[in-house]
Amino acid sequence: AQTVTQSQPEMSVQEAETVTLSCTYDTSESDYYLFWYKQPPSRQMILVIRQEAYKQQNATENRFSVNFQKAAKSFSLKISDSQLGDAAMYFCAYRSAPWETSGSRLTFGEGTQLTVNP
Amino acid sequence: NAGVTQTPKFQVLKTGQSMTLQCAQDMNHEYMSWYRQDPGMGLRLIHYSVGAGITDQGEVPNGYNVSRSTTEDFPLRLLSAAPSQTSVYFCASSSSAVRPNTGELFFGEGSRLTVL
Repeated sequence: AQTVTQSQPEMSVQEAETVTLSCTYDTSESDYYLFWYKQPPSRQMILVIRQEAYKQQNATENRFSVNFQKAAKSFSLKISDSQLGDAAMYFCAYRSAPWETSGSRLTFGEGTQLTVNP
Repeated sequence: NAGVTQTPKFQVLKTGQSMTLQCAQDMNHEYMSWYRQDPGMGLRLIHYSVGAGITDQGEVPNGYNVSRSTTEDFPLRLLSAAPSQTSVYFCASSSSAVRPNTGELFFGEGSRLTVL
């Protein structure tokens, strides 16, 4: 079974600064997806960024980027130019690539609560 | 464009009562699942379905039942609620037919359940 670990229960950053959230995972599979989801106080789960394991290039989405280290099984999220609206709980998640074995099943980390200070 | 709809959004139950959390999606997704979210534990999979008529247990299935008679609906039933089932519940769906195929899950807005 796969496991996902987020070792930082809480993080804080000053507005306009950069912050990195850590995530490690354990798997014996070679093909999978990794995700970062954001959960603001509204409770809605919002996809921030995704990475396919077969891609060597790190994914980027505007101010959000990842550092994907497949051999080290590490998947950190970097938020640049932090904004007040980035304050939320962030979840790292893993999904096996084959649809037949994974369907809609994700394995989530414990979450990191990000505070953005003005 | 409704996506994944969960009802109710809030519910208070007494120990031993039963209830059903409803989940419906209008995207024709074949895969659906239920998660519960507890502080410090992330989201954990309760039950999932790979298509109408097919369901299976996830990581924390005890105390919950599901069925999937149609592609659109995937209700979660609590037969005899316990305080340990106090949580926030999320329904999610996905499809292998979505292009690009990124494995993304689409979530409902969550249902907060309190069992007294």
